[in-house]
Amino acid sequence: GEDVEQSLFLSVREGDSSVINCTYTDSSSTYLYWYKQEPGAGLQLLTYIFSNMDMKQDQRLTVLLNKKDKHLSLRIADTQTGDSAIYFCAERTDYGQNFVFGPGTRLSVLP
Amino acid sequence: SAVISQKPSRDICQRGTSLTIQCQVDSQVTMMFWYRQQPGQSLTLIATANQGSEATYESGFVIDKFPISRPNLTFSTLTVSNMSPEDSSIYLCSVEGVEGYNSYEQYFGPGTRLTVT
Repeated sequence: GEDVEQSLFLSVREGDSSVINCTYTDSSSTYLYWYKQEPGAGLQLLTYIFSNMDMKQDQRLTVLLNKKDKHLSLRIADTQTGDSAIYFCAERTDYGQNFVFGPGTRLSVLP
Repeated sequence: SAVISQKPSRDICQRGTSLTIQCQVDSQVTMMFWYRQQPGQSLTLIATANQGSEATYESGFVIDKFPISRPNLTFSTLTVSNMSPEDSSIYLCSVEGVEGYNSYEQYFGPGTRLTVT
């Protein structure tokens, strides 16, 4: 079955880069997504990558995809206190509309 | 992206009662979904709300417990019936196929925080 895994916690100092990692099991994934959830809020779509791409950059965000290893990462450059949130990795499989979400990584940014 | 609103934003309900959550989108969308996020957990898809026909439920969720309506392309409701404390969760509406956006982009509402006592 489909499974998406993430480490649960990450702490970084303000100004450093954050790297949040995600692994997935379904090789038929077509799109992979990163969402941000701030306390008491819904999910904000940050970025996504199509499975035939290796990298996508959008301002401070860089997504790397290693399809062979089924590994996805989100790098946040110059991390700010406003980046403190839970970050969810999600995959969309080829055969369904369903998203499968990882457990979320809680990013804490220390001053 | 589309602006998605949910009502109520939060509620505290008694065991055995039902609550209907509304999801309104400011533009027509192809797909609408309902998710549950239990405290400290990730998201679990409850069902796909189909316009003009019965919703498609995921394994572990049934229509009698979570009836869903979708009368048009911008509105859906989820009812949580005969509630128990285990139903205490955040319920999130999401949409896909927003006009002018990639059909693979899924956007979420702000969620409804439900507490059952």
